[in-house]
Parts: sequence; C-alpha cells; structure tokens
Amino acid sequence: GEDVEQSLFLSVREGDSSVINCTYTDSSSTYLYWYKQEPGAGLQLLTYIFSNMDMKQDQRLTVLLNKKDKHLSLRIADTQTGDSAIYFCAEEVTGGFKTIFGAGTRLFVKA
Amino acid sequence: SAVISQKPSRDICQRGTSLTIQCQVDSQVTMMFWYRQQPGQSLTLIATANQGSEATYESGFVIDKFPISRPNLTFSTLTVSNMSPEDSSIYLCSVVTGVGPYGYTFGSGTRLTVV
Repeated sequence: GEDVEQSLFLSVREGDSSVINCTYTDSSSTYLYWYKQEPGAGLQLLTYIFSNMDMKQDQRLTVLLNKKDKHLSLRIADTQTGDSAIYFCAEEVTGGFKTIFGAGTRLFVKA
Repeated sequence: SAVISQKPSRDICQRGTSLTIQCQVDSQVTMMFWYRQQPGQSLTLIATANQGSEATYESGFVIDKFPISRPNLTFSTLTVSNMSPEDSSIYLCSVVTGVGPYGYTFGSGTRLTVV
C-alpha cells in the first residue's frame, strides 16, 4: 500500500542548512507536499512540487524530487530557531483528495 | 486560504464517555477531512465529510465509533464515542484549498487525553 517514510529527528546549528529527507511509494503521485507544524498548531502547507519537476526553490526553501528513487527532500537554508518544528512530507495519491503523510521529522535548531 | 476554527483545543475525558469536536471554516468548502495524529506516527485519515451525504470512512474507522456531521458547507463535527485510553491523540480537521495542488489547510487540532 501507499507509504511515506521520513526520519524522526534532525538537529542543526543556527545558520546551517537543514535537509529533511522523505521516501514515498506511489510512483503515480501528482503532487508532493511539505507541511510544517509548530507546537500547539495545525499543519501549515509550506511548499509543494509537481511530479514532473525535479526542483523547486522558494526563498530559503529548496525542494528536490528524484522520481526514479521516489525520494523527496526539503532544504532550509540559513536555518533559524524559528524553523524548529515538525516537518511532514506528504504525497497525493492517484485520483486526488487523498493524501498520505509521513510521521514527521522534528527539527531542532540550536542557537 | 481558508481559516479553520477548531474546538476544543484540548480535553481530558473519562473512559466510556464521548467528546464532540467542532470545526468551523470561514468559507464554503465541499470536502472536509478528519485526521488523527498519534505521537511519532503519521497523520491518519479517519473520514471524508461531504455536505449532504454520509461521511466516507477509511479502513479501520467506523461510524459508530466516530460519527460525523456535516450540516452545511462551513461546519463539521467529529464525535469520539465510548472513549478508551487508546483514543488519546490529536484530532485535526482540514479542508482542501486552491485549485490544482490540493494542499490542505488544517485546524489547530484537539488534543484528547482519555483517563
């Protein structure tokens, strides 16, 4: 069945780059997403990438998609303490309106 | 994007009781979704709620345990019935926003603890 996997924890120093990785299983996914969840809040859509793209950049965020390996990554440049949160990778499965989420990567940013 | 007001934000409940969670959206939406988020685990879709029809439940979730109402295009409730400690989790409602990429907007969640 569909599955999305990501590592649970990442710790970086303030100012460094963070790279959060994700693998997914549905090769026919149309869109892949990154969500951010801050403590006590719901998930916030950060960015997305269409499956026919291999890279998307949005200010400090860079999304890389390797469709052959079904690997998605989120790079945060110049990571700040405010970036500390849980980051969820998600894929939209074929047919839309059903999204499979990973377990989330908790990013710790050390000052 | 839509703004969702979800309440209560948290509750501690006795086993065997029921809790109803409410979600109010500031715009009309066709589909609303209810998710469960357990610590260290991915979000799990409980059901999809369309206005004017029965909710569609995912495998492992049943209407008797998680009855859902969707009386209009801006409001939905999820009830967690006959609760047990295993139901302790965060429950989130969400809606699809935008055209094209079906990114979701989420409510802030309800943290439920069953004792």
